Amino acid sequence: SQTIHQWPATLVQPVGSPLSLECTVEGTSNPNLYWYRQAAGRGLQLLFYSVGIGQISSEVPQNLSASRPQDRQFFLSSKKLLLSDSGFYLCAWSSYGAAKNQPQHFGDGTRLSIL
Amino acid sequence: AQSVTQPDIHITVSEGASLELRCNYSYGATPYLFWYVQSPGQGLQLLLKYFSGDTLVQGIKGFEAEFKRSQSSFNLRKPSVHWSDAAEYFCAVVLILTGGGNKLTFGTGTQLKVEL
Repeated sequence: SQTIHQWPATLVQPVGSPLSLECTVEGTSNPNLYWYRQAAGRGLQLLFYSVGIGQISSEVPQNLSASRPQDRQFFLSSKKLLLSDSGFYLCAWSSYGAAKNQPQHFGDGTRLSIL
Repeated sequence: AQSVTQPDIHITVSEGASLELRCNYSYGATPYLFWYVQSPGQGLQLLLKYFSGDTLVQGIKGFEAEFKRSQSSFNLRKPSVHWSDAAEYFCAVVLILTGGGNKLTFGTGTQLKVEL
């Protein structure tokens, strides 16, 4: 069966420090991968998605970047964190292809607090 | 552009009572719709999905949802709520992305509290 892992689960970082969050999917090949951010009291916002190794699309301009060095590995990074980067970050995957009937499956998230 | 509205930010029900969470969508074509549930500090779990066919779809944990095109709604229901159902519920509509993959547009969520 397919599984998705995110780490760390919780992270506290000072303003201006770098960031690296990792997401790994197991049990499937060539998944579509996604990074979402969930700010307090708000819904989920899609940040990045990837349909293949090295292919990254950004949905909103921001202080973050994403990378996909391997098929089932997806990173979210920043060189210098801002206070506004605080939030709950969720990684998700869906099966390869563009069919509408493919749900996304989510990891347990990373709670990022910026001090 | 597609959008999803969940009018109720918070809902409180008594354990054993019935539940209905509202979801309204805006989409130019036949929508593909999902309901997800999120427990505190956790990721999202898929409850059910609607693609086509029967307008009443069954999901996990005893949930069901009814698609009503005339009302642009996809409301989530459960006949008898359990204390463990307390969580945040998200409705989402799917959009195909250029170059592959799909994008979920989420509502802002409904926080469900269950009173014992």
